[in-house]
Parts: sequence; C-alpha cells; structure tokens
Amino acid sequence: SQQGEEDPQALSIQEGENATMNCSYKTSINNLQWYRQNSGRGLVHLILIRSNEREKHSGRLRVTLDTSKKSSSLLITASRAADTASYFCATEGGFENNDMRFGAGTRLTVKP
Amino acid sequence: DAGVIQSPRHEVTEMGQEVTLRCKPISGHDYLFWYRQTMMRGLELLIYFNNNVPIDDSGMPEDRFSAKMPNASFSTLKIQPSEPRDSAVYFCASSIGQIYNEQFFGPGTRLTVL
Repeated sequence: SQQGEEDPQALSIQEGENATMNCSYKTSINNLQWYRQNSGRGLVHLILIRSNEREKHSGRLRVTLDTSKKSSSLLITASRAADTASYFCATEGGFENNDMRFGAGTRLTVKP
Repeated sequence: DAGVIQSPRHEVTEMGQEVTLRCKPISGHDYLFWYRQTMMRGLELLIYFNNNVPIDDSGMPEDRFSAKMPNASFSTLKIQPSEPRDSAVYFCASSIGQIYNEQFFGPGTRLTVL
C-alpha cells in the first residue's frame, strides 16, 4: 500500500520557472527519498533526507522535511525541459515498518 | 557497472500461462526489491531480500506470485497462473548496506496478460 501522497498529481510550467511538489505521509519515518521517473524508464534516486534533517540541497533541487506536519516538498529551481518526468516520494518507516513505500507521483511537464 | 539488469523488457502472454521475470542486481548489493507499478495502484513493494533471504513478502498480492533469490546475483519473480490484472510494469531494485539507502532501479519489465 502507498504511504506517501504527492500533490499536485500533475504540474505544467514554463522553462525557467520553479516547480514545487509536495508529499504527505501518515506514519513516522526514518527517512524520505525523492525519485524521478522518465516515461517508460526505471526510477532514479534524487535525494534522501533523514528524519532529523529539515532541509537538503542538491544542485537545483531543494528538499524540505517537516516531521510535525508529516510532509516534505521538492523544489526544482530554474526548470528545464529535461526535468519533464514523474516525481515520487518514498518513505522508509520506523521500527515496525521498515520497508519503503512510494506515493502515486507528480507528473511534471516543463514546456520549452 | 551495468546497473540492475532485468529481463525480459517486454512480455506478452495469455491468461493462465506461467510468467518468469528475472533480475540481476548490482554486484555487491545485499538488498534486492521487487516492485509493481500500475496506473491504478502506483508503485507497490512486493517483496525484498537481504543476503538472498526473503525478509518481507507482505506485498505479494496472492499465492500465484512467488519470488526466489538462489544466489547474490540472480532473482526471479514468478506468476503462475497469470491473469489480466497482473498486467503492469515490474521493477527490480537493489541497494547496499541498509534497506533505506538509495535504491538503484532496473529498467523494468512490461508485462501484458491477455
């Protein structure tokens, strides 16, 4: 069963704009990861943020985590057409549930 | 390293037939995961192995599904008998060290059951 829920389900922006995607989850987690999936391809790991971290950066990516609200956001700055893909958050649970659960994903379209 | 290798990339079969999906994890990785992705249900974890031992198979939908990992470099996911609702993309992923480390995904097998 899915744990994370991304929103929006779909996002369309112009090249150069920033894209923000959100992920909410239900149970306590050890970490949260964001993955990208290009159409018809496997998932590619983007970034991992641990439960004791609040913000993490990687290139044009910025991830925040608010454990009190059980939510995370992925910000892609200065988007490019090549960023067009589906983005998934995946949560790794606590002691009782230490497997990973993926959300349904956000479909991002960046128009050139 | 070639990454996670899955075969076949596409499989079309008829209802009732046995289907076997194959995965070769990245050398040295000690965790292996099988996922299923559909439009309706998204990405679901089916089962994962640690050091070739199945740890959690609670995501396996029913007894028609079985998975094995006879050695560190090979795993299979078998569906017998297959049904149209099994049509999906099946991904294999591997990771090293701990379950919650970065997972490396294979390209997936697109299964169509007619």
